[in-house]
Amino acid sequence: EADIYQTPRYLVIGTGKKITLECSQTMGHDKMYWYQQDPGMELHLIHYSYGVNSTEKGDLSSESTVSRIRTEHFPLTLESARPSHTSQYLCASRKGQGLKNTEAFFGQGTRLTVV
Amino acid sequence: GQQVMQIPQYQHVQEGEDFTTYCNSSTTLSNIQWYKQRPGGHPVFLIQLVKSGEVKKQKRLTFQFGEAKKNSSLHITATQTTDVGTYFCTAGGTSYGKLTFGQGTILTVHP
Repeated sequence: EADIYQTPRYLVIGTGKKITLECSQTMGHDKMYWYQQDPGMELHLIHYSYGVNSTEKGDLSSESTVSRIRTEHFPLTLESARPSHTSQYLCASRKGQGLKNTEAFFGQGTRLTVV
Repeated sequence: GQQVMQIPQYQHVQEGEDFTTYCNSSTTLSNIQWYKQRPGGHPVFLIQLVKSGEVKKQKRLTFQFGEAKKNSSLHITATQTTDVGTYFCTAGGTSYGKLTFGQGTILTVHP
């Protein structure tokens, strides 16, 4: 079983609220990722990180921000939630081996509903 | 990761029928990975292919990497209801660290 955890699993929040989605992994992986996925749809990469103090924007523009102060922790923050942010957010991690592709492990996801 | 296109987007089969999904690229891929996401779940790694023409099997699943390393396929023999889900591919390449997936193929199996 993969050691990557997301909290909360479900979140219903009002418009305009600030929220932080937590993602932690205990595998010592350098590379971490955030995806946004609507039901039955694609996995859209919104942020990724090569390691501590490195963050990059993904292919899908997002109003969220991320930080990577510790290897094991990659939180995602929305400063002002809107109904358009309603979606599932998936966190993933994998070993950093240069250009070599390695297996990615996913968290259980956070289902966010903004009302 | 490099951009890949997956087809078909949806596939409905009767239990016992075979199923194939394809992952295609216009450029040569260094490797390809396949993942499965059950309804309501998260993606889970299935396999990685690296060599040209490589074929790997996992029980009823057969994975193939094209000779030119520009396409890959996942074939399921005699589908079961447990095969239901979305199958994604992702390709490794020169984009350091990035991990992007194909659009996925949603498989529905009717008992």
